[in-house]
Amino acid sequence: AQKVTQAQTEISVVEKEDVTLDCVYETRDTTYYLFWYKQPPSGELVFLIRRNSFDEQNEISGRYSWNFQKSTSSFNFTITASQVVDSAVYFCALSNSGYSTLTFGKGTMLLVSP
Amino acid sequence: SAVISQKPSRDICQRGTSLTIQCQVDSQVTMMFWYRQQPGQSLTLIATANQGSEATYESGFVIDKFPISRPNLTFSTLTVSNMSPEDSSIYLCSVLDRDPWDTEAFFGQGTRLTVV
Repeated sequence: AQKVTQAQTEISVVEKEDVTLDCVYETRDTTYYLFWYKQPPSGELVFLIRRNSFDEQNEISGRYSWNFQKSTSSFNFTITASQVVDSAVYFCALSNSGYSTLTFGKGTMLLVSP
Repeated sequence: SAVISQKPSRDICQRGTSLTIQCQVDSQVTMMFWYRQQPGQSLTLIATANQGSEATYESGFVIDKFPISRPNLTFSTLTVSNMSPEDSSIYLCSVLDRDPWDTEAFFGQGTRLTVV
């Protein structure tokens, strides 16, 4: 069985602070995919990143960066110099290469205040 | 990348009625899925919509309550039947676009359903 744990239910920061959202996953598969999605108040799911299990390189995209560590089964997401527009619920998700649905974590609500 | 159009974007319905949600994809996809997101909760898979055959439902979801159609590789519908306030949720259509090296998961804009 697959499982995704986002232990942080809600995080509040002040604009320009850095913030890290944690994601820990469980799977028995050797090939799998990890995702992060952003869900703003409007409700749509915005794709942020996909990482496959063979690629442990960390990735940076503007103010966003991701730290994938297979040794600890973690795929953490850091926002540098946060902005009010970053306020949203962030979901981490896991998919294996065979059965193609996504298992989602419970989400972390990020509130960035001015 | 796949572009998904989902209709309606939101609706307010009376209990006991049914609502059909449409999902249109701009390209042929093998895998289409329906998820439910109850207020303040994460996404839960309802079913996999199979083209040309009956949908595959997850535990806790049944065809009588959530009938699904998938007439071709670009379109699917989800019906929420005999609605009650507990069905108030966001319903999302999703597709997986796979190539030999990678997998992309795309979501529609969601249908925000309120049952009164």
